[in-house]
Amino acid sequence: DAGVIQSPRHEVTEMGQEVTLRCKPISGHDYLFWYRQTMMRGLELLIYFNNNVPIDDSGMPEDRFSAKMPNASFSTLKIQPSEPRDSAVYFCASSSDPNTEAFFGQGTRLTVV
Amino acid sequence: QQQVKQSPQSLIVQKGGISIINCAYENTAFDYFPWYQQFPGKGPALLIAIRPDVSEKKEGRFTISFNKSAKQFSLHIMDSQPGDSATYFCAARNSNYQLIWGAGTKLIIKP
Repeated sequence: DAGVIQSPRHEVTEMGQEVTLRCKPISGHDYLFWYRQTMMRGLELLIYFNNNVPIDDSGMPEDRFSAKMPNASFSTLKIQPSEPRDSAVYFCASSSDPNTEAFFGQGTRLTVV
Repeated sequence: QQQVKQSPQSLIVQKGGISIINCAYENTAFDYFPWYQQFPGKGPALLIAIRPDVSEKKEGRFTISFNKSAKQFSLHIMDSQPGDSATYFCAARNSNYQLIWGAGTKLIIKP
């Protein structure tokens, strides 16, 4: 398996624009996690899904953020409208169950100018 | 009570030395304590993990020491190598199966 695949690797956008980050989890993994990483706040869990269903979105910072998982092999994290303070590296991770290792993608570095 | 406090923030160790990173927690319901290693431009990757029913786990040069009564755990890297230079995160899993992360330690091994 190729691991967790995220796209794009880098995204630069202007404030106010919509941004969509994409993730393909490892095949067979039932859990998918979206994290945000910044120097100031470290790694923050934004939301996680189990079998495509959002379980906990308490980490989503604002209504500008939304996440979907339409099927077992694809998830999106959308920011609309984007703001400079959203600049961060966004990671997607997946695991086969909560008792096992979470595998991370390489991340999307988002810069909002 | 959900926090995991990690120290130091950064660490410089000579090649061949021992690197030690510490973490402390409050929530006694945490039941799984992994350490992740992250290289620049990459996502974190699981390095080693421990459950609270054991006091130590060793995998090669990496050892986790776990003190349940003190609610502390630490990562020891023996014979540290330049290739170990990375950012290390401790974490703890809560009853909702969510990982609570430490702030990270940037480790630099000097040749």
